[in-house]
Amino acid sequence: QKEVEQDPGPLSVPEGAIVSLNCTYSNSAFQYFMWYRQYSRKGPELLMYTYSSGNKEDGRFTAQVDKSSKYISLFIRDSQPSDSATYLCAMFSGGYNKLIFGAGTRLAVHP
Amino acid sequence: ETGVTQTPRHLVMGMTNKKSLKCEQHLGHNAMYWYKQSAKKPLELMFVYSLEERVENNSVPSRFSPECPNSSHLFLHLHTLQPEDSALYLCASSQDLAGGGDTQYFGPGTRLTVL
Repeated sequence: QKEVEQDPGPLSVPEGAIVSLNCTYSNSAFQYFMWYRQYSRKGPELLMYTYSSGNKEDGRFTAQVDKSSKYISLFIRDSQPSDSATYLCAMFSGGYNKLIFGAGTRLAVHP
Repeated sequence: ETGVTQTPRHLVMGMTNKKSLKCEQHLGHNAMYWYKQSAKKPLELMFVYSLEERVENNSVPSRFSPECPNSSHLFLHLHTLQPEDSALYLCASSQDLAGGGDTQYFGPGTRLTVL
C-alpha cells in the first residue's frame, strides 16, 4: 500500500465550479499537510500548509485535514482557468524535512 | 536571479554519456534537495544536503552522484544512465532541515531524456 494515495485525474470542470481534490494516507504519524500547485513546465509551489486536523482558508482555497479518517482535501471555490495545474498533496511526520508526496491530480478549468 | 534556478532545462543524452545538472538557490537557505518526478508517480526524494553535508541518500543508484560545493549550489552528476531514468529532475531548498513546516522552494526542473 502506498503511503499517500491521490487520484491522478484528469479532472475537468467549467469555470466557476467548486473543485474538490483529495488524498488519503496510511501513516498515522503524519502531522503536517501541504498542497503544492505545479504548472506545466514549472516546479511545484506551496499553496497551503496545515498542521494536524482542522480547516484552513486562504482566499478561494480551503484545506481540510481529517486525521481520524486519514484524509485531506483541498477545495477551490469559483475556479478559474488560471487554476489549471497539477495539485500535489504532501505530508510529513516532523523531525527533519522528508516530505511524502502524492502522485498529483491534474485539473483543467475550461472557460 | 531569484528563487531556485536549474540548468539546463532540457537534456537529451545517450546511455554512455556523462552530464551534470546544476541547481542554484538565491534564498540564503541551508538545505537543498534533489527529487525525481516521473509521469503519474509521486515525487521521489533522491538526496538531501544540509550545510553542504549529505544527510540522505534514498537508495539511489550510483550512476547518480550529487555534489554540494557550498550552500547555494547543488549538482547532480549523471553517467551510464538507463532509459528508465528519463524524468523531470527537481531541485528544492529550504531554510533548514529541522522543525515542522520548513517550506521547500522548487526550481523549474530539468527534463532529462535518456536514449
